[in-house]
Amino acid sequence: AQKITQTQPGMFVQEKEAVTLDCTYDTSDPSYGLFWYKQPSSGEMIFLIYQGSYDQQNATEGRYSLNFQKARKSANLVISASQLGDSAMYFCAMSTARSGNEKLTFGTGTRLTIIP
Amino acid sequence: DTGVSQNPRHKITKRGQNVTFRCDPISEHNRLYWYRQTLGQGPEFLTYFQNEAQLEKSRLLSDRFSAERPKGSFSTLEIQRTEQGDSAMYLCASRIWEGGHEQYFGPGTRLTVT
Repeated sequence: AQKITQTQPGMFVQEKEAVTLDCTYDTSDPSYGLFWYKQPSSGEMIFLIYQGSYDQQNATEGRYSLNFQKARKSANLVISASQLGDSAMYFCAMSTARSGNEKLTFGTGTRLTIIP
Repeated sequence: DTGVSQNPRHKITKRGQNVTFRCDPISEHNRLYWYRQTLGQGPEFLTYFQNEAQLEKSRLLSDRFSAERPKGSFSTLEIQRTEQGDSAMYLCASRIWEGGHEQYFGPGTRLTVT
């Protein structure tokens, strides 16, 4: 079975600073994908970034980058130059080849608050 | 290109009543997923479809739950004889199987069972 652990229930960060959100995962499947989603108070899950287990380089999407450390089974999200609009819940998720790369297993999330 | 839409956005019902939710995926997305999210938790997988075929159901989906995607486009999720424990946000997502890995989520339907 796969599991995602997010140990930071909440974080407060000053605007324009960089922030790292922690995520560790557990799976015995050598083929898997890691995702980060943002959930504002409106409720909709917004896809941010994806990292495949065989990808050689860390994924980047604009201000978002994924710090993938395979040996440590960690997939931390780094947001550079944080903005007030980044305040939201952030979820790390995983899919595995054994599950057909379909169903996502989510962590419990981190609530990020950006302070002006 | 419109996103995933879900209706209704909110539903309040009395225990024992039946409810039905609808999800309209992004057009041409052949995979459709249902998740449930309770307060303070991440979404949990319920079921998914490839076109009209339901390919997997979670053990969370008890006999009171049924999902359909009759023509491979929109999907419905029905809960019969609702219980207070069914109160949650029900999220729908879709993606193109041959495309990228990410699932695109709708705004969800928040169900409150009184």
